[in-house]
Formats: sequence, structure tokens, C-alpha cells
Amino acid sequence: QTVVTQEPSFSVSPGGTVTLTCGLSSGSVSTDNYPSWYQQTPGQAPRTLVYNTNTRSSGVPDRFSGSILGNKAALTITGAQADDESDYYCVLYVGSGIAVFGGGTKLTVL
Amino acid sequence: QVQLVQSGAEVKKPGASVKVSCKASGYTFTRYDITWVRQATGQGLEWMGWMNPKTGNTHYVEKFQGRVTMTRNTSTNTASMEMSSLRSEDTALYFCARIVYDSSGYFLDSWGQGTLVTVSS
Repeated sequence: QTVVTQEPSFSVSPGGTVTLTCGLSSGSVSTDNYPSWYQQTPGQAPRTLVYNTNTRSSGVPDRFSGSILGNKAALTITGAQADDESDYYCVLYVGSGIAVFGGGTKLTVL
Repeated sequence: QVQLVQSGAEVKKPGASVKVSCKASGYTFTRYDITWVRQATGQGLEWMGWMNPKTGNTHYVEKFQGRVTMTRNTSTNTASMEMSSLRSEDTALYFCARIVYDSSGYFLDSWGQGTLVTVSS
């Protein structure tokens, strides 16, 4: 069974930069996994931030960027703001029409 | 614009069934798969399965096979998810989402607002 790993929690200072990562238990993440990232506040529907590794969804500020860093997908937030405090989930496509959620990262801005 | 509007909150007793609907608008309903994702309080997002609205073909995550049925009505552009034999652990927020799977990659680009299902005696 494929497991997608994310840091359980992270903190960043206002104005700072943070990079969240998304790995695969079975090996390296590549663009063929079409990494996507979602932001969610408790009780609300997720918001799609980035897809296909590094394409921002419409209306998403350019302080959010996606990439492949080493063997993982990454979401970098540059110039973090208070309202970036949320849970962040990645999704990786693993083939045959199947994708897997990561466990999520709780980001604190303080 | 693309919209997915879900049915309202439900309270069910253990052993009962629940059916949650997801009405799509703003696009051609049969062109995109619909997936269902749930989230228990304080937990992460959990994939349940997906459905092709054009063909009605479904794929269920193993954990939910035999208990979940996903259907659609192409006349009303509505997808539905029915879960049977409910237990307290099924108490969660249930989301539908549209899957984009093409040259853009694979991702969920639009989400319903969520439906809270509470299972309690």
C-alpha cells in the first residue's frame, strides 16, 4: 500500500518562508505523480492551491509555489501571512487512476 | 463558474444508511469524474472512491467496498454517495470534488461545501 508522507506540523514567522514536503513510501516523487496541494481550515472545504507540480490555481497568490525538491514534492510559502495558518494536504497520482492523500501538515504562523 | 452543491447535514442511528448528493453546475457533468472524500473531526482527508458520470463506472477504496455506492443522475447533473451499516466512526464531514485528469495532470479542482453526517444512538 502506497503511503504519502508529510510533516505533521510546521511553524513559520510572519513574513518568513516555509517549505512543506510530500514524499512517497515507495520511492521518489516525480512530475509523473502530478503533485497537487490543497489548503484547508477546519470545517471548511479544501481549496486547491497548486497542481501539476507547479501550476497555481486561479486566484492563488504567487507567494505559493510548487516544485520537486530532491525526491519529494514541495510547497513553498514565501512571505507567510497570518491567514496562511491552515492545514495543507498533498495528493500524488500513483497510476491506474489512483491517487493518494498525504496525512496533512498543520502550519502555524507565529 | 463550476459549482458543486451538496445536500444538508444528516443525523443517523447506527446500522442505518445515508445518502449524500452533490449537484454540479457550470460545466458538462459527464466530462469529469467525481470523487468522494471524508474527514473525521481532527483527522485528515480520506479518499472513498470515484465515479465516471458518463458511464456510471465506479472505483471504491477497499475500506469502503460493500458499504458505499456511488451513483449519478445525468438528467439533474447530480452525483450521490450512499453508505450503509453506519457506525459511530463514520461520523465525519463528507465532500464531493471534481477530478481533472488530462494533460494538466491529475488533481481536484472544485469542491462541494461538505455535508456533516453524524451517527449517534
